[in-house]
Amino acid sequence: NAGVTQTPKFRVLKTGQSMTLLCAQDMNHEYMYWYRQDPGMGLRLIHYSVGEGTTAKGEVPDGYNVSRLKKQNFLLGLESAAPSQTSVYFCASSDHLSGNTIYFGEGSWLTVV
Amino acid sequence: EDKVVQSPLSLVVHEGDTVTLNCSYEVTNFRSLLWYKQEKKAPTFLFMLTSSGIEKKSGRLSSILDKKELFSILNITATQTGDSAVYLCAGAGANNLFFGTGTRLTVIP
Repeated sequence: NAGVTQTPKFRVLKTGQSMTLLCAQDMNHEYMYWYRQDPGMGLRLIHYSVGEGTTAKGEVPDGYNVSRLKKQNFLLGLESAAPSQTSVYFCASSDHLSGNTIYFGEGSWLTVV
Repeated sequence: EDKVVQSPLSLVVHEGDTVTLNCSYEVTNFRSLLWYKQEKKAPTFLFMLTSSGIEKKSGRLSSILDKKELFSILNITATQTGDSAVYLCAGAGANNLFFGTGTRLTVIP
């Protein structure tokens, strides 16, 4: 009963390093999302995907790239990490673009020093 | 600009109290209003509201939507310590869910 799985769960990066967060879902959902959550800011959409091979920018896309090569996976990349990217990252998936329930992963805690 | 505003930001009550959490929204191409409960990790789904005036209930929790006033409330009756969490409201538009900053509810025994 996996649902949405994110890896890694915790990571500390140095400024300028790169890394990739992996999100996998086993519900055959078309739509996948990456959010970041910061204190006092709520959840903000970084990028999303409406299907395999497609991606689109959300509210706060700068500094991030994504790829959806397989339907079940959605990767979030940081090419050159900055302290401002210290945050909790949530992946989510749904079977509709919006207006329906979405399922969240457990979160990935990223600290950039 | 799309936005969702929740109030209060935080709330401390005693077990057995009833609480009302508020959510106002301005979302382009609005489709639905969703409530989530977030404890230590991922938000978990509570309700989805699409029609005005129809109350949704789940145990001690209930919610209602007013699409004319662009407002929703979440009620929790007979609160328990297990209700302590951040409650998130989100407005669903055409391409995104716009989240509020949440209300942090603390229930004291």
